Amino acid sequence: DTEVTQTPKHLVMGMTNKKSLKCEQHMGHRAMYWYKQKAKKPPELMFVYSYEKLSINESVPSRFSPECPNSSLLNLHLHALQPEDSALYLCASSPLGTSGVNEQFFGPGTRLTVL
Amino acid sequence: AQSVTQLDSHVSVSEGTPVLLRCNYSSSYSPSLFWYVQHPNKGLQLLLKYTSAATLVKGINGFEAEFKKSETSFHLTKPSAHMSDAAEYFCVVSDPSGGSYIPTFGRGTSLIVHP
Repeated sequence: DTEVTQTPKHLVMGMTNKKSLKCEQHMGHRAMYWYKQKAKKPPELMFVYSYEKLSINESVPSRFSPECPNSSLLNLHLHALQPEDSALYLCASSPLGTSGVNEQFFGPGTRLTVL
Repeated sequence: AQSVTQLDSHVSVSEGTPVLLRCNYSSSYSPSLFWYVQHPNKGLQLLLKYTSAATLVKGINGFEAEFKKSETSFHLTKPSAHMSDAAEYFCVVSDPSGGSYIPTFGRGTSLIVHP
């Protein structure tokens, strides 16, 4: 299995809802990433887990809460989001942790709309 | 600190003509460089990578890039554009500044291919 999967593909939620995004990889990769991407912009790094430990948190608001239950799974818990949080949320993984150079493998993304 | 500059926000070519997407980088180390492609509403796919081996790097779908240290450039080329090449292209630099190898994305170049 050489891909990163993300569920759901699309999500519409109200500002008071709680929802979660899920990302999975079975390539034995040791780093996993969450990115937020607005239209016509590059991905913006949100969180990085390296060897299942949170190593980077790019000053993301607390309404976004990451979780890495094991080396294959990465979740992003969403609560009390704002309309400006609507975006494509991308998950990526890379073979080594963040202590080495390695390419990233991206999932197809979850298109999030906050009403 | 590392940075990357994609010199063109849009590049327009006719099918069958050469493609040149320009990327300049800044790094205090010997960087690793990557090109990714993103088709509409999809995740990112690695085209090619440079990690201090051969300076001319061949990638998928006929793309290649040349690492030029003297010019701090890593331009992406393809001899003959195909309609399916129309997409967003991101140049990415990664070095150990900040204590870990976290990629930095360029702003992206939109490639438009005319029939």
